[in-house]
Amino acid sequence: EDQVTQSPEALRLQEGESSSLNCSYTVSGLRGLFWYRQDPGKGPEFLFTLYSAGEEKEKERLKATLTKKESFLHITAPKPEDSATYLCAVQAVGNEKLTFGTGTRLTIIP
Amino acid sequence: DAGVIQSPRHEVTEMGQEVTLRCKPISGHDYLFWYRQTMMRGLELLIYFNNNVPIDDSGMPEDRFSAKMPNASFSTLKIQPSEPRDSAVYFCASSLQGPYGYTFGSGTRLTVV
Repeated sequence: EDQVTQSPEALRLQEGESSSLNCSYTVSGLRGLFWYRQDPGKGPEFLFTLYSAGEEKEKERLKATLTKKESFLHITAPKPEDSATYLCAVQAVGNEKLTFGTGTRLTIIP
Repeated sequence: DAGVIQSPRHEVTEMGQEVTLRCKPISGHDYLFWYRQTMMRGLELLIYFNNNVPIDDSGMPEDRFSAKMPNASFSTLKIQPSEPRDSAVYFCASSLQGPYGYTFGSGTRLTVV
C-alpha cells in the first residue's frame, strides 16, 4: 500500500527565514510525486510534479527536490502570503489515483 | 474554463437525512475523483471514475455512500442516511490520464447534526 508521511505537522517561521518541509514516501513504482498548496476554505492547488530521483523544480520562492525515498519543499525568504498547508502526494505506476500525506501547516510571521 | 465546480459549498443536515453533493469536472478531463478531508485523516480517496465508469470504489466507507456519473459533465455523491461522523469537507477533482496532477474544486463542507 502506498504511504506518504509529511513532517513537521506545523511550522512557524519569521518572514525571510528559510526552511524545508519533508515528504517521505513508499510506493510500488513511482509515476509522479506531487506538491499542492491549500489555503483555508479552498481546494488544493497544484504546485509541482516530480518524476524521478534527482529532479528539481522551482516556482518563485519554492523549490521541490526528489530522492528515491523522500521529497523536500524548500522555501527561501518566505513572505506572509506563503502561509498555507502544503500537501504531498504520490501516484504509482499503472494507477491514476493520488495518495496524500496529511500536510504541513506553514505560518509566516511578519 | 471555470475549473471544477462543486455544489453546494456548505450543507448542514440532520442525522438520518439524505445528502447529495454535486460536481462538474473540467471539460475534456476523463478522470473524476471524490475525496473526503478531515483533520484526523487528511485527504482520503472515496471513488474515482474513468470515462464515466467507476474504477475504484474501495474507499467508500460503507453502503450508505454511493456515487454516480451519468455523463461526462456531472457526478453526484450521495449519503443516505447521513450520520454525524460523515461531517467533513468533500472534494471533487478531475484530470487527464497520466501523471499530470488533479484540478480540485472548492469543496463542500458537510455538517451532520
